[in-house]
Amino acid sequence: EVQLLESGGGLVQPGGSLRLSCAASGFTFSSCAMSWVRQAAGKGLEWVSAISGSGGGTYYADSVKGRFTISRDNSKNTLYLQMNSLRAEDTAVYYCAKTRGAYYGSGSFDFWGQGTLVTVSS
Amino acid sequence: QSALTQPPSASGSPGQSVTISCTGTSSDIGVYDYVSWFQQHPGKAPKLMIYEVSKRPSGVPDRFSGSKSGNTASLTVSGLQAEDEADYYCSSYAGSNNLVFGGGTKLTVL
Repeated sequence: EVQLLESGGGLVQPGGSLRLSCAASGFTFSSCAMSWVRQAAGKGLEWVSAISGSGGGTYYADSVKGRFTISRDNSKNTLYLQMNSLRAEDTAVYYCAKTRGAYYGSGSFDFWGQGTLVTVSS
Repeated sequence: QSALTQPPSASGSPGQSVTISCTGTSSDIGVYDYVSWFQQHPGKAPKLMIYEVSKRPSGVPDRFSGSKSGNTASLTVSGLQAEDEADYYCSSYAGSNNLVFGGGTKLTVL
């Protein structure tokens, strides 16, 4: 059974940093591209970042480019999102999502975690 | 990258069919066959319903179907059931390593 378990969310001040983790199990982690998708309260989904199965390719939405860094440790089956210079508009539930296959651009996110809430406020 | 355009709401009675549109541009939906649809119930994570325009993951009822014409993709739900009431989001690859979502459509089963 595929499981994705996010952690690391919480309250942080504007300009602060936070690192999210997503522990994966039930599938061959290194074979799948992974993404982070966020959702502000009462709002729609927003793709944030993606990483290839090997970790050699990383991709970002313009809204987070230069501030967020996605990475993965295939030996630990874990995905990460390092978030720096956080802003109020980054407040959202952050989901990690597995791509159905190797190419994140297909957008075929077939499994999602339960989400972790990030609140940026003073 | 601009979001895809979806109607904010849609509705239908049990047993009826409803179609939700997702309008993009010639830079996303119009040129890539990487359109997905997600269902999201309140307080839950999204669920993949359709990928690559019209493919259904295993376990998704065949009442759900997807299509694309020009810059617009569509999700059709046939034989509406009460449990289909949810928010639906489309997504598309938009080139230049970008992925965009629609604003979401709230489907109400009357």
